[in-house]
Formats: sequence, C-alpha cells, structure tokens
Amino acid sequence: DGGITQSPKYLFRKEGQNVTLSCEQNLNHDAMYWYRQDPGQGLRLIYYSQIVNDFQKGDIAEGYSVSREKKESFPLTVTSAQKNPTAFYLCASSSPGLAGAREQYFGPGTRLTVT
Amino acid sequence: GEDVEQSLFLSVREGDSSVINCTYTDSSSTYLYWYKQEPGAGLQLLTYIFSNMDMKQDQRLTVLLNKKDKHLSLRIADTQTGDSAIYFCAETPGSSNTGKLIFGQGTTLQVKP
Repeated sequence: DGGITQSPKYLFRKEGQNVTLSCEQNLNHDAMYWYRQDPGQGLRLIYYSQIVNDFQKGDIAEGYSVSREKKESFPLTVTSAQKNPTAFYLCASSSPGLAGAREQYFGPGTRLTVT
Repeated sequence: GEDVEQSLFLSVREGDSSVINCTYTDSSSTYLYWYKQEPGAGLQLLTYIFSNMDMKQDQRLTVLLNKKDKHLSLRIADTQTGDSAIYFCAETPGSSNTGKLIFGQGTTLQVKP
C-alpha cells in the first residue's frame, strides 16, 4: 500500500532535548512538507523540500531543522531552541497531478509533548 | 498577502445538509482544496477545484467557487455522524510553483443525531 508513515505517534521529551520526527513516503512524490498544528490555528508550514538535497524554510522554521538525503524520507528535528515545541506535527508529500494540481497527501501525525 | 479564512464551528442535525464556507485573498489562486481531519489523525483530501470552474460535485459533496467574491463552499448532503470532523480549505497561491498550500484555520463540524 502506498502512503506516508510518521513515527512515533506519540513522543514525550524533556525540555532542552533535541528530538527527531520521522516521515517516510512510498508514493514516489518529489516534494515533502512539514506542518505544525495547534488548536484553533490551522496548519503552519515549517519546512518543505521539492527535491533531494534541497529544502526551504516555511513560515515558522525557527527552532527546527530538516534533511532530505533520500526521496522517501524527510525527518524533522525539533531543537531545544524551539520555544513552544508541544504540538501535533504533520508530514505531507505531493507531486504534480495530470491537471497540474499539487494535492498534498498527509501522514497520520506525531503528537509531541515537551515537559 | 495570501490568507484563507473559515468560520470555526458548525453544528447540524443528522440528515440535514452542511455548508462550510471559506474566503481567500489571492485572486490568482490556481487550485482550491477541501481536506477533512478526524480526531488525532492526519488530513484526508476530499476534493479540489480548479479556479476556472464554478462547481464540482462528487457524490454527497458539492464544491462551489465564486471567483469574483473569492468565496469557496463545501456542501455535504445528508450529513451523517461520521462526517463530524474538522474541515480545512486550502489554496495553491498563483505565485507559487512549489506546491505550497495556504490553509484556513479549519471548521469543526458537529453532527447531532
């Protein structure tokens, strides 16, 4: 089955620790994205990557880092510099559709709690 | 700039129609999307519409686009309790070729039995 996997589903960390969230896709999509979701605020783009070994900052990149060494994988590291890391993190991927739409497909999310 | 707005909450009775509304600011948006999110899950793409279309129907879902007013709506016919979720509209900005989407805040749909 093609899809996007994120692991783990729940993650707990102590303040001051870096933590890496996994995102893997087997859809053969070129582009991948990381979003943060907080209650009542919708989705905010953290980082995105259109191609292997290249990525761009989104709207709220401070305190986060990413890598894109393989097409299938786009891990997100939440560093200790991120002031409010507790949130629901969503990974997505996309490729141009036949009609030009770039619909994004989402993973199940990782809920990170930092205490 | 690019912005997408939605009302935060809608409550309907089972069997009624639901209409979720969305407004956007980018007049050069190319595609507009509706996503559904069930509690604790990722987003599921429901449907999308190209900006030169007025309407798209897919089973119980009808999308209406008023490009002049920059208004998008999602109508769910015969709403069921399983439709209870958060619904997000999103747009592909005309200025973007990166596949970036701009999302609204989401509308929580509550379906009462």
